[in-house]
Amino acid sequence: AQSVAQPEDQVNVAEGNPLTVKCTYSVSGNPYLFWYVQYPNRGLQFLLKYITGDNLVKGSYGFEAEFNKSQTSFHLKKPSALVSDSALYFCAVRDGSSSNTGKLIFGQGTTLQVKP
Amino acid sequence: DTAVSQTPKYLVTQMGNDKSIKCEQNLGHDTMYWYKQDSKKFLKIMFSYNNKELIINETVPNRFSPKSPDKAHLNLHINSLELGDSAVYFCASSQGTLRHAEAFFGQGTRLTVV
Repeated sequence: AQSVAQPEDQVNVAEGNPLTVKCTYSVSGNPYLFWYVQYPNRGLQFLLKYITGDNLVKGSYGFEAEFNKSQTSFHLKKPSALVSDSALYFCAVRDGSSSNTGKLIFGQGTTLQVKP
Repeated sequence: DTAVSQTPKYLVTQMGNDKSIKCEQNLGHDTMYWYKQDSKKFLKIMFSYNNKELIINETVPNRFSPKSPDKAHLNLHINSLELGDSAVYFCASSQGTLRHAEAFFGQGTRLTVV
């Protein structure tokens, strides 16, 4: 069965420092991985996705993610954090079962707190 | 223009009532979803429709009934509301069910059952 784990409930980082939000996955077949961000009282916004190809994926708002097949990880990164990046981040994997339903399986979310 | 819009944004109602949440997308997508976010922020799919056909029904109580009048709309009707139904409900859409297609989410409907 497909699953996604975000091992940290919260990540704290100082503004201007690099940030990493961790995600590991378990899928059968090729992984299709996504990162979403949720600002308070808002919906989820798509940040980036990995389908195939380069292991470093660039996305919105200066975020990028590194796919590592051997470690089954897809960590979200940003070279220099902004206070406005403070939000809840979700890693997700597309259901890889034979029935193609489009279902996204989400991790439990990681709260990113960027302090001035 | 809002891509995926839900109404209402907030819904407070008493136990036992019946309520509906509406969702519309103007992205031209043919697949729509309902996700539930619980109090611990955990997100889980409830339903999915592709071209107005139900393709996912994730062990949701039959008090929850989705309805897709056309590809741009997916509504959620809930009968006999219970306290445990309190959550944030998100509508989403994608172009097909292809694994690489990202989903676009609405702003959510916060349902509070009292």
